[in-house]
Formats: sequence, C-alpha cells, structure tokens
Amino acid sequence: KQEVTQIPAALSVPEGENLVLNCSFTDSAIYNLQWFRQDPGKGLTSLLLIQSSQREQTSGRLNASLDKSSGRSTLYIAASQPGDSATYLCAGMRSSASKIIFGSGTRLSIRP
Amino acid sequence: NAGVTQTPKFQVLKTGQSMTLQCAQDMNHNSMYWYRQDPGMGLRLIYYSASEGTTDKGEVPNGYNVSRLNKREFSLRLESAAPSQTSVYFCASSRTGGGWSSYEQYFGPGTRLTVT
Repeated sequence: KQEVTQIPAALSVPEGENLVLNCSFTDSAIYNLQWFRQDPGKGLTSLLLIQSSQREQTSGRLNASLDKSSGRSTLYIAASQPGDSATYLCAGMRSSASKIIFGSGTRLSIRP
Repeated sequence: NAGVTQTPKFQVLKTGQSMTLQCAQDMNHNSMYWYRQDPGMGLRLIYYSASEGTTDKGEVPNGYNVSRLNKREFSLRLESAAPSQTSVYFCASSRTGGGWSSYEQYFGPGTRLTVT
C-alpha cells in the first residue's frame, strides 16, 4: 500500500527558531505534493503546492521542496511565531485525481 | 467569494438514519472531493468528481453515495448511518485541466457527524 509518512508526529520549539517538517512517500508516481495547515476544529488551509517539475515553492516565511528521487518533501518555516502553532499535513497526488494520499500530520507548537 | 462551503456544521444521527451532506464551491473548479478525517487514520478520500457529470470511488466509498448536482455542488449521502461513520467530513475542490496550480485543493470547514 502506498503511504505518506510525516515525522515527527509532534514538535515543540521556542519562538524565533527555524524549523523543518518532513514528509516521505513511497509512491514514485506522485506528481504533486501539497502542504496544508489545520487549526483545531477547522478545515485545511493550503500553504504550498509543488509540482514535480518545480522542486521548490516559497511563500513568505515558508519554503517547501520536493525530491521525487528520494521520496521526500520538506516544509521549512523561518523565524517561527506562536501563530504558526497548528497541525501541518502533506498530501501526495498522482496526475489522476483518483489517488490522493495524506500524511497523518505534524502537530507544531511554538512556545512564546 | 466564499470558497468551499459545507452544511451542516454538526449532526447527530441514530444508527440506520439517512442524511445528505451538502457542499458548494464558487471558484468555478472542475473537480470536487469528499474526505473523512479520523484520529490516527488521517484524511481518506471517499469519492471524487473530476468534472460535472462524473463521479468515482476513492479509498473508502462503502456506505456512501454522491451526486454532482452541477458544477458548483457535490453532495454526500449516507443511506443507513452506522457508528463507524462517525467522523469529520470535508469537501474540497480543485481546478484541473492545465496550469501550474492544477490539483491545488481548497477545503471547506467540515461537518462533524456523530452516529449513535
């Protein structure tokens, strides 16, 4: 079974630190990799989408990379803030909409 | 521009009852999706609709039916609810058919369903 794994499951860091969240996948046919943020009791908010041809995307303090050869994506958060506290999920998508697999998420807590 | 909207926000059903979860998007997206989110299981795709008039099964379709009413609306029906269907249900949509943002998914706020 194809899987998407996120490590660590939970992370707590002091405010101001730079941090990296990891996402690994076993499906070599993954075409796009999307990162989301989910606040407690809320829906998912799209952060970044990386197509395999792009390898990297940036939005403000966020930078996401995709390495299909190693089956890994990373989300880099610079100068973390308490407002960044949330669960971060990655999802791997094939070119067909029939196969979209989510990781279980990393629960991030930024301490003031 | 409301994005993706879902109704109801909360619902409690008794085993065997039926209900329909409604979803609408105003972004002119072609594709729409239904997911369920369970603790320890993550998000799993129930059904999706690649375009108006088409629907296909996802990973966990048993016990559910869907209708793509038009381009904007995609409903999920539970014909005979079971306790195993207690979950949070999310609807999502995406623009497909070309461009770098193809397949970027936008989610609704979710419906919290409890089946007793």
